[in-house]
Amino acid sequence: GESVGLHLPTLSVQEGDNSIINCAYSNSASDYFIWYKQESGKGPQFIIDIRSNMDKRQGQRVTVLLNKTVKHLSLQIAATQPGDSAVYFCAENRQAARQLTFGSGTQLTVLP
Amino acid sequence: GAVVSQHPSRVICKSGTSVKIECRSLDFQATTMFWYRQFPKQSLMLMATSNEGSKATYEQGVEKDKFLINHASLTLSTLTVTSAHPEDSSFYICSAAPPLTGLGNQPQHFGDGTRLSIL
Repeated sequence: GESVGLHLPTLSVQEGDNSIINCAYSNSASDYFIWYKQESGKGPQFIIDIRSNMDKRQGQRVTVLLNKTVKHLSLQIAATQPGDSAVYFCAENRQAARQLTFGSGTQLTVLP
Repeated sequence: GAVVSQHPSRVICKSGTSVKIECRSLDFQATTMFWYRQFPKQSLMLMATSNEGSKATYEQGVEKDKFLINHASLTLSTLTVTSAHPEDSSFYICSAAPPLTGLGNQPQHFGDGTRLSIL
C-alpha cells in the first residue's frame, strides 16, 4: 500500500523574489546532475543539467551550482513567478549507468 | 511539444484486472526506457529499466512477474500490471533516455504519468 507520514520539504517565496532550492547527493562517483520540475498530476519536466567538470551553469532565469567537495547541488530561480510553483527534484547519475537517482524533492510555493 | 507520450493518463479498474500502460518516445529512438512509481508527496522510485530487444532489469523488491515490461521497438515500451490489487494503486511514470553520445549522458525525458486506481 502507499506509504504515509512522509512530507516534502517546502519553500515559500514572494512573487518576484529569488528562490534557492538545495539538494545533497550521496554518490561521489556521480558525474551528471539534473533538475526537474514536477507539476501536480504530471511527469517531471527537465529544467537544467550540469556535468561534474563544471561548478555553475545558467539557463533562462535558472542557475545550477555544483559543489563536489560537499556533494551539494542548488537551483536558483530568479524573479520567481506563480507558474514556478511545483515540486523540484534533483537527480544524479554516473556515466557508466543510465539510471537516475532522485532526491526527495522540494515543494515550491510562490505567494502573490 | 511532448518528447515522451504515455497512455492512458488514468485508469480505474476492479481488483484482479491486468492493466497495460504504453510509453512512446516521439523524438528519438530509445534503446533504454525506464519505469517509475510515485506515491503522493514522495519522490520517484525506479522500478525497472527497459531494454529494447532484451529482458528488462528490475530493481530490488519489484516483482517481475507482477510488472511485465516489453520493449519491442525503439519507440515503445509497455508496462503491464498483472492481476492488479488495491495496493498497486499509484502514479506510474515512464521515461526515455536519448542514445549515449561522446558528450556523455543526456537528460531523461518523462511521460505525463498514469494514475492507476484499483477498486
